[in-house]
Amino acid sequence: QSALTQPRSVSGSPGQSVTISCTGTSSDVGSYDYVSWYQQHPGKAPNPMIYDVTKRPSGVPDRFSGSKSGNTASLTISGLQAEDEADYYCCSFAGTYTWVFGTGTKVTVL
Amino acid sequence: EVQLVESGGGLVQPGGSLRLSCAVSGFTLSTYSMIWVRQAPGKGLDWLSYISSSSATIFYADSVKGRFTVSRDNAKNSLFLQLNSLRADDTGVYYCATYVGRGRPGDFWGQGTLVTVSS
Repeated sequence: QSALTQPRSVSGSPGQSVTISCTGTSSDVGSYDYVSWYQQHPGKAPNPMIYDVTKRPSGVPDRFSGSKSGNTASLTISGLQAEDEADYYCCSFAGTYTWVFGTGTKVTVL
Repeated sequence: EVQLVESGGGLVQPGGSLRLSCAVSGFTLSTYSMIWVRQAPGKGLDWLSYISSSSATIFYADSVKGRFTVSRDNAKNSLFLQLNSLRADDTGVYYCATYVGRGRPGDFWGQGTLVTVSS
């Protein structure tokens, strides 16, 4: 299983919106509505932000939203805040109890 | 409060072995399937293994199949990952995490334990 493809970095000013893409194949992202997104601050464990493509765990601000079209999933952060600066990883179910993560995207708040 | 605490990492020579542990508290381990995820230094996340709540179902990533073995002791609220035939590219931080569903494979995570494979 090859890693899902994400842009290396995206940036935006406070209050702006940024979107991170996550491109897989018809064997993972394109076949299942089981995409999740994780936020990771330096030296910390990953923190789930989105699951099942569009759902937010309790406590995650509604500024974070997820979507999917074909083989590409996306995470949008609206109203960017300083604390959103972190690495973000997508993850897709890839069949029979296997998963594949994305390459990771660094979000910079200018 | 849900807590997962990994331990057992360290420096090991290529070809060596280590046994990682994940001690959980704040929830009943027997009701959760679990996963292991690795992160090489400065790199992304890699899913390694899945184990169902009863250990009846176990899966591994191709990169570790035949070398790593996941197990659990629900009575002791502990999850384990036996690492054998270690290679330099196995170096990284190893995380355990609770599994909720196919679209939510990592819910609560531990802080990770660092494994360094080097001579």
